Amino acid sequence: AQSVTQPDIHITVSEGASLELRCNYSYGATPYLFWYVQSPGQGLQLLLKYFSGDTLVQGIKGFEAEFKRSQSSFNLRKPSVHWSDAAEYFCAVGGAGGYQKVTFGTGTKLQVIP
Amino acid sequence: ETGVTQSPTHLIKTRGQQVTLRCSSQSGHNTVSWYQQALGQGPQFIFQYYREEENGRGNFPPRFSGLQFPNYSSELNVNALELDDSALYLCASTQGGSSYNEQFFGPGTRLTVL
Repeated sequence: AQSVTQPDIHITVSEGASLELRCNYSYGATPYLFWYVQSPGQGLQLLLKYFSGDTLVQGIKGFEAEFKRSQSSFNLRKPSVHWSDAAEYFCAVGGAGGYQKVTFGTGTKLQVIP
Repeated sequence: ETGVTQSPTHLIKTRGQQVTLRCSSQSGHNTVSWYQQALGQGPQFIFQYYREEENGRGNFPPRFSGLQFPNYSSELNVNALELDDSALYLCASTQGGSSYNEQFFGPGTRLTVL
């Protein structure tokens, strides 16, 4: 069965510092991979997705993620964090069979300190 | 272009009651998915409607049911509420059911069951 592990429940970084959020997945074929952000009172917003091709994916708000098949990972990175990035981040894995096949991780809550 | 909207924002019910949650999809989208997000968890797929037909269902009992209307808005109905049904219920719309198409989420309805 497919699964997603986000090992860090909570991360605190200083504004302007770099950020890396970890995501490990289990999937039997080539996965579709997603990163979403959820701010308080807001729905989920897609940051970026990987389906195929270049393993370094650029997303919105200055985020990027790298698909590493050998490590079953899809870590999210940002070179310089802004206070507005404080939110909860969800990694998700699925396939071509539609969203009923997409599994979300339990999320990483990001706190940004001045 | 109007985004995905959900109503009500918050709802309090007691065990055994029934509840109806509503979702208006983004303009031009014909597919609506519903998710349950328990506290501290990622979203879990409940079901998906495409052109008024259910075309995918997650691991939820039959007391979770839905409808999609000709204007592609949707309802989620939950009968015989249980305490564990307390969660944030998210609606997402997309054009087509493939996970290749980006989903747009509403802000959710917070349901509390007492």
